[in-house]
Amino acid sequence: RKEVEQDPGPFNVPEGATVAFNCTYSNSASQSFFWYRQDCRKEPKLLMSVYSSGNEDGRFTAQLNRASQYISLLIRDSKLSDSATYLCVVSRYSSASKIIFGSGTRLSIRP
Amino acid sequence: EPEVTQTPSHQVTQMGQEVILRCVPISNHLYFYWYRQILGQKVEFLVSFYNNEISEKSEIFDDQFSVERPDGSNFTLKIRSTKLEDSAMYFCASCPSAGELFFGEGSRLTVL
Repeated sequence: RKEVEQDPGPFNVPEGATVAFNCTYSNSASQSFFWYRQDCRKEPKLLMSVYSSGNEDGRFTAQLNRASQYISLLIRDSKLSDSATYLCVVSRYSSASKIIFGSGTRLSIRP
Repeated sequence: EPEVTQTPSHQVTQMGQEVILRCVPISNHLYFYWYRQILGQKVEFLVSFYNNEISEKSEIFDDQFSVERPDGSNFTLKIRSTKLEDSAMYFCASCPSAGELFFGEGSRLTVL
């Protein structure tokens, strides 16, 4: 089983729609969780950290479910500029020595 | 805003040649990383570096790879004898503490 698994997509949704991605992780000792965004041929960029209590940043909401070992990202009122690959990222231990990326979920927003 | 910088942005080399990719992490960060991404594939962890030594490395990071922080600012990745399958985008990243990575723009390596 992969350490971090994501639905590769692509998700193709109309502008203004709400879209949600899930990501599962296999190691219960994982401590830190993040969503990164990667545009084509560019470097990954941090979108948001994911906290146990869930957190929101504008149109983006992230949730963590430790019991089921998954994290989610919800995007409301999607914009054309949201089109990108969304990477689920998990840090296995409380130290930062190894940070694992999921394969990414491709999102395409159509006008 | 401070950023991670990488050079070169693109390098073309012949199979079997040595390559050095350079990175300048953000100055007050403590952890440094190299990741690679083969075109169309996932971002893969290569190695992490903390307190002037390797703290963790993946199975990809074999004896052909090495990292150095020669002067307290640069962080280099050396590939001793490149193979065709080393062709990829190599990303350097740094972070101040646990988890939030700041990436450079990447160095594209093409091995012919």
